[in-house]
Amino acid sequence: SYDLTQPPSVSVSPGQTASITCSGDKLGDEYAYWYQQKSGQSPVLVIYEDTKRPSGIPERFSGSNSGNTATLTISGTQPMDEADYYCQAWDRNTGVVFGGGTKLTVL
Amino acid sequence: EVYLVESGGGLVQPGESLRLSCTASGFAFSSYAMTWVRQAPGMGLAWVSGISVSRISLSGGDTHYADSVKGRFTISRDNSKNTVYLQMSSLRAEDAAVYYCAKSSSSSWNAAFDMWGQGTTVTVSS
Repeated sequence: SYDLTQPPSVSVSPGQTASITCSGDKLGDEYAYWYQQKSGQSPVLVIYEDTKRPSGIPERFSGSNSGNTATLTISGTQPMDEADYYCQAWDRNTGVVFGGGTKLTVL
Repeated sequence: EVYLVESGGGLVQPGESLRLSCTASGFAFSSYAMTWVRQAPGMGLAWVSGISVSRISLSGGDTHYADSVKGRFTISRDNSKNTVYLQMSSLRAEDAAVYYCAKSSSSSWNAAFDMWGQGTTVTVSS
């Protein structure tokens, strides 16, 4: 099966830049997607096809994907960005794969 | 506005069956693939099943399953009712989770999931 690995937690101070990584074998050969899930809520797509932001997602959210690592970057992190973040990709053998999730703490 | 409303969750005993429904509104349902994702208590997201768009049938489409549910779960859609279903049989304790319905951003099941429902809870316990 195909696995995506994320750090369990990332901490950042308000106004600083948060980077959340997602690692998988040759991940850069596929599109990576990122979802934000706030406590008690449903997931929300924040980045699709590696770098694109859906309508309504703030410009401070950006993404990249190359080699074996995709990265979600939040510039000027705000307290409202505190949430769990999941990367997702597709593998032709496994299907849709999610990373284990990263808890972003803004303190 | 786009809405996805799941229903059908509940408490069942191991080995029993349950059918989840997800009714969509606010977009051309028949033009988009749909998927089910689950989240066990305190755990991460796990893809369950996806169904693409059929250009022949009103209710068809290619179906895909996670290995953990293959042979036990069946996904289907009824475009006349704007509804996608997940028929779950031989349920196990490890199937207990919140089940989310999600809309794909295209007719293909392996695109971004750009809209999610509020989820329905399945509890499997004797």
